[in-house]
This record gives sequence, C-alpha cells and structure tokens, in this order.
Amino acid sequence: DVKVTQSSRYLVKRTGEKVFLECVQDMDHENMFWYRQDPGLGLRLIYFSYDVKMKEKGDIPEGYSVSREKKERFSLILESASTNQTSMYLCASSERTGPQEGYTFGSGTRLTVV
Amino acid sequence: SQQGEEDPQALSIQEGENATMNCSYKTSINNLQWYRQNSGRGLVHLILIRSNEREKHSGRLRVTLDTSKKSSSLLITASRAADTASYFCATDAYGNKLVFGAGTILRVKS
Repeated sequence: DVKVTQSSRYLVKRTGEKVFLECVQDMDHENMFWYRQDPGLGLRLIYFSYDVKMKEKGDIPEGYSVSREKKERFSLILESASTNQTSMYLCASSERTGPQEGYTFGSGTRLTVV
Repeated sequence: SQQGEEDPQALSIQEGENATMNCSYKTSINNLQWYRQNSGRGLVHLILIRSNEREKHSGRLRVTLDTSKKSSSLLITASRAADTASYFCATDAYGNKLVFGAGTILRVKS
C-alpha cells in the first residue's frame, strides 16, 4: 500500500516562527499536494508539485512556500507563522495520471499558532 | 475555490439504515471522487466515477452521477457505527488537480 507520512500529528508554534511541515511518500508518485482543512471550508489547495524541483501555486498560496528536492519528499514552509494559519494540513500524493485515479493522503498535521 | 458542495452538512441515522449524501458541482468534469475522513485524520479514497458513467458500486457503496444536473450521490447501505465519518466529494475538472467540497458529517448510532 502507498504510504504518505507526515512528520508531526500535532504542532504548536509561536507567531513569527518559521515552520516546516514535512511529507514523505514511498511509492514513487510523481505528484504531491498540500491542502489545508478548516471547518466549513473543506480542503483548499495551497501548492502542488508534478516533479522534483517543480512547484505550482494552488488556490491559497499566500504566506506559504514549498520545496521538492527529492521525488519522495514535499515540504511546506510557513515563512513567518501567523494565527490565521492555525489549521489542519494534509499532504497527498498521486501517480502522474493523478486526478484520473485518486489521491493518497497522509494522516494530517494539526498546527496551532499562538 | 470550492467546486463540489455536499448536502446535507450533517446526517444522523440508526445502524442498519441507508445513508445518502449528495454533491453538486459547477463545471464540466472528467471524473468525480468520494473520500472518507475519520475523526480529523487523513482522507481515504472510496470510489471514482468517470463522466461517461452513470452508476458505480463498491461493496456497500453506490455512487450515481448525473452530468446534466451536475450532481452525484453516495449511498451507503446497511450502515454501521464504523461508517461514522466525514464524507467529501472531489471533482477533477480537467485541471490536473482535485477540488474538494466542504463535506457531510455522518453519524451512525448503534
């Protein structure tokens, strides 16, 4: 089975800190995605990547950046954390055909910014 | 941008009953998918239906798609307490990425 592993289940950071959320997948998937999930808003796409060193903005990229130096790892970076970035963050991966098959999600990281 | 919108927002039923959730969307799609999320965990892919399909089954799940009405429904038959979760529809609108709705919270009482 494909596994998508997010490094932390819960994280508490202070306003202004630089925050790294790590995601690793073990099935050689080309595509990787970062979503945030907030009550009543569903999942909103932050950034995605189709290949190493490649990234594209999603619907809400402001305040975030990403890094994909290796195919299996996709990192989400909050350059200067703010309280409105308190949320559940979900990483997903898929094969190149991506939306035609379905995504595999990690367990999520619940980030609280205080 | 939300493409799919689920209805109802929340549903509470007794074990053994059927649960029906609906999803409406706005643009033409390549396929529509349903996912399940247990208690703040990650999402699990349940079933995918392509735009040229009208109905699909997987175990106790039945999905229908009406592209003329831009709507889909997910039916869970003979529900169990373990089916308690949030259910999301997601649409592939030929854009190489999925767009998710806000979800339906299903509670199955034993």
